[in-house]
Amino acid sequence: DTGVSQDPRHKITKRGQNVTFRCDPISEHNRLYWYRQTLGQGPEFLTYFQNEAQLEKSRLLSDRFSAERPKGSFSTLEIQRTEQGDSAMYLCASSEARQETQYFGPGTRLLVL
Amino acid sequence: AQSVTQPDIHITVSEGASLELRCNYSYGATPYLFWYVQSPGQGLQLLLKYFSGDTLVQGIKGFEAEFKRSQSSFNLRKPSVHWSDAAEYFCAVGNDKIIFGKGTRLHILP
Repeated sequence: DTGVSQDPRHKITKRGQNVTFRCDPISEHNRLYWYRQTLGQGPEFLTYFQNEAQLEKSRLLSDRFSAERPKGSFSTLEIQRTEQGDSAMYLCASSEARQETQYFGPGTRLLVL
Repeated sequence: AQSVTQPDIHITVSEGASLELRCNYSYGATPYLFWYVQSPGQGLQLLLKYFSGDTLVQGIKGFEAEFKRSQSSFNLRKPSVHWSDAAEYFCAVGNDKIIFGKGTRLHILP
């Protein structure tokens, strides 16, 4: 069990560019979650999947954000036309099932210039 | 509205002293409650969780927390802190999506 992994760990991009992040959950975990954490704040929920189905999306997730989990394993989070306000740490977590402990990855830190 | 309040942004204690971090929550149903710790450059690590049963919950690294329904509180405690406990601590509540507080940064004096 290698834990939740995220790639890349850091990303610097220019405003207007598209970026994509990847999350690999713990292998037997059905649920996968994305959160965003800005400086001085706690993580904020963005979206989650059960297997390949996206079950809930936060209002924080604007139309520029899209998340997929095509085969129920890894997930990608894409941000189109990035804005400076998108600069944050993007955290991924996974759990075996509903109401079970969520295990977090190390995060991807995004800086939009 | 569902929310978590951590009233202390920063707390400083001397090494070896006792610690209590406060957490109050607002949640419509019976909550699942968590404390996570985040060290610089590290991911969130679960310290302990409360689902039901005994309201005093034991966690890792010598931490414990007590659920008090009447006060809507879930305070974290440790009898004697170590320098390695310096980190940011997040209280959280939720079933599927988790709602986090803003965190309390713990500083340890030698």
